This record gives sequence, C-alpha cells and structure tokens, in this order.
Amino acid sequence: AQSVAQPEDQVNVAEGNPLTVKCTYSVSGNPYLFWYVQYPNRGLQFLLKYITGDNLVKGSYGFEAEFNKSQTSFHLKKPSALVSDSALYFCAVRENTGGFKTIFGAGTRLFVKA
Amino acid sequence: DGGITQSPKYLFRKEGQNVTLSCEQNLNHDAMYWYRQDPGQGLRLIYYSQIVNDFQKGDIAEGYSVSREKKESFPLTVTSAQKNPTAFYLCASSTGQGLTDTQYFGPGTRLTVL
Repeated sequence: AQSVAQPEDQVNVAEGNPLTVKCTYSVSGNPYLFWYVQYPNRGLQFLLKYITGDNLVKGSYGFEAEFNKSQTSFHLKKPSALVSDSALYFCAVRENTGGFKTIFGAGTRLFVKA
Repeated sequence: DGGITQSPKYLFRKEGQNVTLSCEQNLNHDAMYWYRQDPGQGLRLIYYSQIVNDFQKGDIAEGYSVSREKKESFPLTVTSAQKNPTAFYLCASSTGQGLTDTQYFGPGTRLTVL
C-alpha cells in the first residue's frame, strides 16, 4: 500500500536561512509525488510535483523539492525563508493501483521567525 | 483557491440534523473529491467522483453521502449517522486524466456540532 510520512510535526527557521521540510514515501511502482501548502482556515495550494525526469523539481513561490529514489524521499526546500512562508505543508503520493486516490501526509507546520 | 467555491464557510449542526455542504467548480474538471481534515491527521478521503452520475467511497464514507448530477457540482451531505462530524471539510477537483493530474482545492467549510 502507498504511504507517505512527514517525520517532523514542526520546523522552525529564521528568516533568510534555508529551509527543509522532510517527506518519505512508500509506493509500489513509479512514485507520483506532490507538495501542497495550507494557510490558516484556507484550502490547500499546489506547490510542485514529481512525475519523472530531473530529481530537482522547481515550483511556486521559490520552493523546490529533491527526489531521492534510493532514500525514498521527496524533501521540500527553499534557499531563503520568508516570514510569509509560515504555514502547514503537506506531502502527498498518488495511488498508482488503478484508483484516483491521493494519500496525504499528516502535515508539517513551518514557523519562520523574523 | 481559484475556480472552486465552497459554501458556507462556517456551519453549525445540531444533534440529529443532516447538513449539506456545497462545492462548485468552473474549471471544467471531470474529477471531484471531498476530504475531511482533523488536526494532526492530514486529509482523509470521504468520496470521489471521476465523472458525472458516478462516485466512489473513500476511506471514511460512513455517515456521509454525495451526488454528482452536474459536472460543476459535488455536494456533500453529513448525515446524523456521522457521530463525530466536527471538522474542516475540503472539496477538490482535477482533470481526472491520470495519475499525474493536480488537485485544486476550495477554501473549505468548517463544520461544528453544537
């Protein structure tokens, strides 16, 4: 069965410093991986996705994610954090057993301090 | 959140009542989804629909019902059989054209049982 894990409930980083939000996955077959961001009392916004090809995927708002097949990871990164990046981040994996289901991680709350 | 609207933003339900949450999209998407979000648990799939007049149960369908009479609309009814309905409900849509399509989310409805 497909699954995704976000090992950190919360990440704290100072503004201007690089940030990493971790995600590991377990799938049978090719992984289709997504990152979403959620601001308070709002829906999720799509950041980026990995389908195939380059291991470094660039997305919205300066975010990027690094796909590592050997470590089954898909960590979200940003070179320089902004206070406005503070939000809840979800990693997700698309089920590839014939259905349309997406499995979401529990989420990681990012706090960026000025 | 563009293209997907959910109403109301806040909803209060008395014990024993059925309530219906609205979800409308103007993205011409074939697939639509309902998720429930509880703190620390990520998103859990309630129902999804790949095409008009067809829908499937997700992981936590008990106590919920849906209809898909129009491509643009996918209302969710929370019935009195749902014993713990207080949560944030998110509707999403996608092209439904494969494993790599991206889900786009509405702004959510927060349901509280009085």
